[in-house]
Amino acid sequence: KQEVTQIPAALSVPEGENLVLNCSFTDSAIYNLQWFRQDPGKGLTSLLLIQSSQREQTSGRLNASLDKSSGRSTLYIAASQPGDSATYLCAVSLNNAGNMLTFGGGTRLMVKP
Amino acid sequence: DAGVIQSPRHEVTEMGQEVTLRCKPISGHNSLFWYRQTMMRGLELLIYFNNNVPIDDSGMPEDRFSAKMPNASFSTLKIQPSEPRDSAVYFCASRRRQTNEQFFGPGTRLTVL
Repeated sequence: KQEVTQIPAALSVPEGENLVLNCSFTDSAIYNLQWFRQDPGKGLTSLLLIQSSQREQTSGRLNASLDKSSGRSTLYIAASQPGDSATYLCAVSLNNAGNMLTFGGGTRLMVKP
Repeated sequence: DAGVIQSPRHEVTEMGQEVTLRCKPISGHNSLFWYRQTMMRGLELLIYFNNNVPIDDSGMPEDRFSAKMPNASFSTLKIQPSEPRDSAVYFCASRRRQTNEQFFGPGTRLTVL
């Protein structure tokens, strides 16, 4: 059974700092990996999708990398802003599971002005 | 595009009552997913449909839960009878065929008293 772990569970940083969120998964036979953002009381917003054949994806100040063999992904946020405060979730889909997503527990990020 | 639409946004009901949650996926998406989010268990997949056909309902907790997708633009998740432990946020998501990226609705916050 695929297990997805995100460390740390919570992170507080001052505005302007570059930061890295970590995601690890136990089964490397993934189809893709997706990073989401969730604001309190809201739904999930898709940030980046990395296909299994890709190594990284970038969108603005966000960069996500994928190392399938080691079962790891990182989300890099450059020049963090208070508006980046949210919970960040990673999710993987398996080759043989119809692309159902298995989610990590999330990292709750607070960027202080 | 309006994104994934869910209704109601909030539902408060008494134990034993029937609850019906509704979802309209993004037009042109061929897969639809129902998730449940709680503090204790995080995000869990309940059931998903491909081309309106249920593919995997192994995440449905009990026979009290049922889901239908009568056409490509509408799905329901029904709980009958509801119990306090069903209290959670229920998300619907749809998937873009070309990239397998999932897009989430705003969720329905269900409280069963």
